[in-house]
Amino acid sequence: KQEVTQIPAALSVPEGENLVLNCSFTDSAIYNLQWFRQDPGKGLTSLLLIQSSQREQTSGRLNASLDKSSGRSTLYIAASQPGDSATYLCAVRPGTDKLIFGTGTRLQVFP
Amino acid sequence: EAGVTQFPSHSVIEKGQTVTLRCDPISGHDNLYWYRRVMGKEIKFLLHFVKESKQDESGMPNNRFLAERTGGTYSTLKVQPAELEDSGVYFCASSRNRAQETQYFGPGTRLLVL
Repeated sequence: KQEVTQIPAALSVPEGENLVLNCSFTDSAIYNLQWFRQDPGKGLTSLLLIQSSQREQTSGRLNASLDKSSGRSTLYIAASQPGDSATYLCAVRPGTDKLIFGTGTRLQVFP
Repeated sequence: EAGVTQFPSHSVIEKGQTVTLRCDPISGHDNLYWYRRVMGKEIKFLLHFVKESKQDESGMPNNRFLAERTGGTYSTLKVQPAELEDSGVYFCASSRNRAQETQYFGPGTRLLVL
C-alpha cells in the first residue's frame, strides 16, 4: 500500500531564505508526482508535475526533484517571500489515476 | 478559461439529513475526480469519472455516498443520510487526459455535520 510522508510538518523561516521541503513514498512504482500549494480556506494550486521518467522540474523560484528508486522528492524554494506562506502538498500517482497525498508541510515565511 | 468550480462553498447540516455537492470541471476535461479531507487527515481519493462512466470508485466510504455525472459534464456527490464523520472538505478535480496530466482542483466544499 502506497504511503506518502512529508517532513517537516511545519516550518517557519525569515524572508529570503532558501528552503527544502521533503516528500517520501513507499512504493517506487509511480506514474508521476505532483506538488501543490494550498492557501487557508482555498483549493489546491498545482505547482509542478514530474513524470516518472524525469529527474526535476523548474518553475520560477521553485524546483522539484524526483528520485523514484529511493522514493523521494524535494521541493526547493529559492529566496522565500511572505507570499510563499501556505501548506505544500505532494501527491503521487500510482498505477491508477487517483492521487495519493501526503499530510503536507505548513510553511510560514515572516518578513 | 474558467477553473473547476464547486457549489456550495460551505454546508452545515444535521445528522441524518441529505446534502448534494456539485462540481463543474474545466470545459473539455473528460476526467473528473472527487477527493475529501477529514479533520487532521490527508486528502483521500473517493472516485473517478471518465465522461459519464465511473472508472474507479474504490475510495467511496460506504453506500451513503452516491456520485453521478450526467452527460459527462458536471458531477454531483450526494450524502444520504449524513453522519458526523462525513464532516470535512470535499474537493473536485479534473484533467483532460489520464495518467500524464495535471489534475486541476476546485476550491472545495466545506461540509459540517452536526
